Amino acid sequence: AQSVTQLGSHVSVSEGALVLLRCNYSSSVPPYLFWYVQYPNQGLQLLLKYTTGATLVKGINGFEAEFKKSETSFHLTKPSAHMSDAAEYFCAVSESGSARQLTFGSGTQLTVLP
Amino acid sequence: DTAVSQTPKYLVTQMGNDKSIKCEQNLGHDTMYWYKQDSKKFLKIMFSYNNKELIINETVPNRFSPKSPDKAHLNLHINSLELGDSAVYFCASSQGRGLRKMEQYFGPGTRLTVT
Repeated sequence: AQSVTQLGSHVSVSEGALVLLRCNYSSSVPPYLFWYVQYPNQGLQLLLKYTTGATLVKGINGFEAEFKKSETSFHLTKPSAHMSDAAEYFCAVSESGSARQLTFGSGTQLTVLP
Repeated sequence: DTAVSQTPKYLVTQMGNDKSIKCEQNLGHDTMYWYKQDSKKFLKIMFSYNNKELIINETVPNRFSPKSPDKAHLNLHINSLELGDSAVYFCASSQGRGLRKMEQYFGPGTRLTVT
């Protein structure tokens, strides 16, 4: 069975500061990992994904995430926060091989302070 | 052009009523999904259809019935609405097999409020 834990339901950062959103997963097989973003009153949008190969993956809007197997983590980072980054961020996992469905974390609300 | 669209955007109704939410995608995808997002933002898959065939049916009450008239449409009908059905319902679509299926495109959501 697969599961996702996002530490911190709310994260606040100042504009220009580092963004770090935490995600830990549980999977019985090598996982596929995803970050989705949900802007207010909109659907989810794929930010980035990890499948195989390079453990540091880059996504849209300057975000990146690093897959660390030993820590079962896939934390999302951005060097410098922008006001437009304020949104809900969801980490998701799918078991490789089957890729049958996504299991989402509970989300982290990112607030960017001026 | 809207890739995945849902109607209505807001739906307020009373307990016991029957309602439908419609979803359409113009991406040419072969798989469509319904998700439920509760008040705590927790997102859970309800159904998945591939080429009009049901492939995922999570533990959802029988009052919920998806219908896919064609590959581009997946509607959700809910009978005898209950207070606990209040949530935001998202439609999504994807194309292909394996990993590509996980790159899902979401609609804007339908906020259902049952009073």
